[in-house]
Amino acid sequence: DGGITQSPKYLFRKEGQNVTLSCEQNLNHDAMYWYRQDPGQGLRLIYYSQIVNDFQKGDIAEGYSVSREKKESFPLTVTSAQKNPTAFYLCASTTGLAVTDTQYFGPGTRLTVL
Amino acid sequence: AQSVTQLDSQVPVFEEAPVELRCNYSSSVSVYLFWYVQYPNQGLQLLLKYLSGSTLVKGINGFEAEFNKSQTSFHLRKPSVHISDTAEYFCAVRERGSYIPTFGRGTSLIVHP
Repeated sequence: DGGITQSPKYLFRKEGQNVTLSCEQNLNHDAMYWYRQDPGQGLRLIYYSQIVNDFQKGDIAEGYSVSREKKESFPLTVTSAQKNPTAFYLCASTTGLAVTDTQYFGPGTRLTVL
Repeated sequence: AQSVTQLDSQVPVFEEAPVELRCNYSSSVSVYLFWYVQYPNQGLQLLLKYLSGSTLVKGINGFEAEFNKSQTSFHLRKPSVHISDTAEYFCAVRERGSYIPTFGRGTSLIVHP
């Protein structure tokens, strides 16, 4: 089955630690996205990537980093510089800029800082 | 710049009653409009989308939405809700030529028996 997988589903981190969230897709999509979701705030864009080896900052990139070495993979690292990282993180992908493009979402990773 | 306003943060309704979730947007160019549903601790699933053509769009699970350009609205409706419709609903807008949609803050639909 084609889709997006995110791992782990739940992640606990101590303050001062970096953690990496995994996102893999087998939809052959070119574009991939990372969103942060907090209660009552909708989805806020962290980073997005249109092609391999290229990515752009979204609205809230500070304290986060990404890489796009393979088309199917777009890992997100939450660094110790992110002051309030506890949130639900969603990865998404699309084929590109086609008129009919729809974002497909992964199941999410819930990160809690202890 | 585009923006989306979901006018209700929470909508309680009884089972089998009709429901409308409101969404207004702002943009200076043509847009595509989307409604997504999110069940607890899950990702978002597309309910329906407006790209062009007929302003009444039908989606999955019996939902429909109507695009009103003059009022810049894209309200979601269902004539009879079920307990299983309890979820968070997000409206999103994407300007033509842009990779990036903007999401509303979400409306929590709570269906009571």
